[in-house]
Amino acid sequence: GDSVTQMEGPVTLSEEAFLTINCTYTATGYPSLFWYVQYPGEGLQLLLKATKADDKGSNKGFEATYRKETTSFHLEKGSVQVSDSAVYFCALSLYSSASKIIFGSGTRLSIRP
Amino acid sequence: EAQVTQNPRYLITVTGKKLTVTCSQNMNHEYMSWYRQDPGLGLRQIYYSMNVEVTDKGDVPEGYKVSRKEKRNFPLILESPSPNQTSLYFCASSLDWTSNQPQHFGDGTRLSIL
Repeated sequence: GDSVTQMEGPVTLSEEAFLTINCTYTATGYPSLFWYVQYPGEGLQLLLKATKADDKGSNKGFEATYRKETTSFHLEKGSVQVSDSAVYFCALSLYSSASKIIFGSGTRLSIRP
Repeated sequence: EAQVTQNPRYLITVTGKKLTVTCSQNMNHEYMSWYRQDPGLGLRQIYYSMNVEVTDKGDVPEGYKVSRKEKRNFPLILESPSPNQTSLYFCASSLDWTSNQPQHFGDGTRLSIL
């Protein structure tokens, strides 16, 4: 069935380090792909999205490229800040499923000053 | 301000006592959905609604009911809550049900069923 797999956390980095959070997916059809971020005590917020192969989503210094050949949508940021500490969720959405969205299990990121 | 509002934010209750978690959005969105978030499992969809009077089951619908009588409201009903429904619940909405629309989430409702 359709699924999203993302790297397990927690991930702990020092400020200004390079970040990669891996995400791979399995889907029948052509999904749209999303990264959401959840800060403590809050709901999820859209971070970025890509709706077709080779699209790059970007926001707040974060980037992810929709790679159909490797079924991946890895999240990257060149220089993380303490304020980036949060839980990050990769998700896919399939048109054929009447917009049922499937989320990964989440990756907790902690940034040390 | 565009938002999805859930109430209550926190609730501790006992097994078998019916409860309702309300969800309201002010963005005129057609699509609304309920999720539960459990450690290590991410978010799992409980029910969704593509428009008024149109609802359907998600991945984990057992023990829950929903209704969509008005476009803005999508309450989640637990008729006879049990301890395995202790979780963090999120309501979300999007403009429509096409796959490229992002979801807008409420701030969550933490339910504890004793």
